[in-house]
Order: sequence, then C-alpha cells, then structure tokens
Amino acid sequence: GIQVEQSPPDLILQEGANSTLRCNFSDSVNNLQWFHQNPWGQLINLFYIPSGTKQNGRLSATTVATERYSLLYISSSQTTDSGVYFCAVEDNAGNMLTFGGGTRLMVKP
Amino acid sequence: GAGVSQSPRYKVTKRGQDVALRCDPISGHVSLYWYRQALGQGPEFLTYFNYEAQQDKSGLPNDRFSAERPEGSISTLTIQRTEQRDSAMYRCASSLGGGGMGRAFFGQGTRLTVV
Repeated sequence: GIQVEQSPPDLILQEGANSTLRCNFSDSVNNLQWFHQNPWGQLINLFYIPSGTKQNGRLSATTVATERYSLLYISSSQTTDSGVYFCAVEDNAGNMLTFGGGTRLMVKP
Repeated sequence: GAGVSQSPRYKVTKRGQDVALRCDPISGHVSLYWYRQALGQGPEFLTYFNYEAQQDKSGLPNDRFSAERPEGSISTLTIQRTEQRDSAMYRCASSLGGGGMGRAFFGQGTRLTVV
C-alpha cells in the first residue's frame, strides 16, 4: 500500500512564529487531506487539497501531486494551534485514507 | 445531524466482554468509515460502507471485529471477546462519497479501554 511520511515528527514554536510541515507520499493519489488533532482528541479537517494551493486564515496548504508531496504552512502561530497535524491520502486503488504518523506541534506562549 | 456523532465517548470493559460502538454520520453522507488509532500514532483503516453495503473490510484485524450499517445511516462496530490489545481510540468518519472518497469528517471518537 501507499506510504505516507510526515516531517518533522515534533516541533516546538514560540507564539507568533511561522512553520512548515511536510507530507511525502509514495504513489499517485486521488486526494490529500490535512487534519488537526486538538489536545481534546478531536480530529478536524483543515484542507481537502489533491493539488494546488488553498488558504484558510493563518493556514495554507500546497500539494504538488506530480512530485508527491504536500506542505502545510502555519503563520503567526497561536497556542491554540498546538496538537498533532496529520496528512492523509486516498490512493487510486481504494476509497479510504491512509494517514501519516503526524507532526506533534507545541506552541509556547 | 450537524456533525458525526459517536457513542459512547469512553468505554471501559473487562477482557472477554463484547462491546458495541455506535456512529451516526452527517445526514446525507453516503460513505462511512471506521478507523482505529493507537496512542501516538495516526488512525488506521478498519472498514467502510457505501450506503448499507460494506465495501471493504480488509483492515479489520481478526474475526472478532465486525461492522454493520443496516439502513445506510447509523453504523455499529462490534468487538467480541475483547482483549487488552483492543484498547485504542475508535474513530468514525463520513463523506459525501459518490466517486472517490471526498472530504472526510470525523466524530470525536470512542476511547476503549479493556482491563
């Protein structure tokens, strides 16, 4: 099956800093989604982004499908951004998402 | 409903007991997915449905695990003769479906602890 790798595995930021999270995948995909797992365990869909760039407030994401990677940008980070960010892909073979291992982000005040 | 709803939120059960986890998807969503998430890891696929039909159950770890969605809406994941290794967060997601998965929305999960 498809392999999804995220980097870095852990990230500590000072409030106000910017960051870039990366997701690499091993094969062509139908779609790619970014999720935020907040400290209460809820998994929130941030972006549905099979290709191109999308922005939502301080967050934006870019997927370059031909090169098999996606980036999630967090600008002016806030303590509420803390949690785990997951990238998940749907490959061409089936209708399910395969998740990466996540990036654990802590934003300090 | 407005979002995906799972119940119970927390379940503690004794080894050997059966448990049933419920998922109520977003109204109108065709596809429903079950995932399991161990502590510190990403969710792993268990099974999914389009309407009432179970399309793929390749992720179910063994025959103690089963799922149904009899009327194409609410789904139940059942674990028989629970074992300590079944302890995890069980997550349900739904999507519009209809050619590709579409954007997936997850419920708050059920934290299962087998003692």
